[in-house]
Amino acid sequence: NAGVTQTPKFRILKIGQSMTLQCAQDMNHNYMYWYRQDPGMGLKLIYYSVGAGITDKGEVPNGYNVSRSTTEDFPLRLELAAPSQTSVYFCASSWGGAQTDTQYFGPGTRLTVL
Amino acid sequence: GIQVEQSPPDLILQEGANSTLRCNFSDSVNNLQWFHQNPWGQLINLFYIPSGTKQNGRLSATTVATERYSLLYISSSQTTDSGVYFCAVAGSSNDYKLSFGAGTTVTVRA
Repeated sequence: NAGVTQTPKFRILKIGQSMTLQCAQDMNHNYMYWYRQDPGMGLKLIYYSVGAGITDKGEVPNGYNVSRSTTEDFPLRLELAAPSQTSVYFCASSWGGAQTDTQYFGPGTRLTVL
Repeated sequence: GIQVEQSPPDLILQEGANSTLRCNFSDSVNNLQWFHQNPWGQLINLFYIPSGTKQNGRLSATTVATERYSLLYISSSQTTDSGVYFCAVAGSSNDYKLSFGAGTTVTVRA
């Protein structure tokens, strides 16, 4: 099993550009999550999904969109990138919800917006 | 939401030393995880431990849910233990997120 994979590993965007961060898992997990980690901080939840076709906002959803058309994939879309979105983005998945199950994290995508 | 406080914020150890990291949380939890973020940024699961005690090699963890804290013990530290250790919790049945503490940065010197 590859676990949770993310692409790209690094990206530099100009202000106003858009991009999609890709996340895939091969563990047949129901739940998937997107977090961001700002320097020197813990992670904050952006969006999550409890299954294909179902997504919901987390703590910091502004400026982002997600979709979940399959169990395996959970892409994160940034529209009109802003310097405040410079961060490291982590995708995670779990079999059960956050209350009951271990979350497994991908390697992260380091995004810089200039 | 649940508040998570970790202490100390920074820890410098000599190789071979033992240490204890603490995580306090503000409400009852159904999930508590400890992670190690290595110098390359990867988050590695250490323990899923909403209550009780677990051990994995030189690492062990104890969660006292009734008193709302968890401890992570590192014994005979090695340079590869360096990095940031995060505690993360999830609370009520409607809480779909893990709430992370700010982390403890551990530096192990040879």
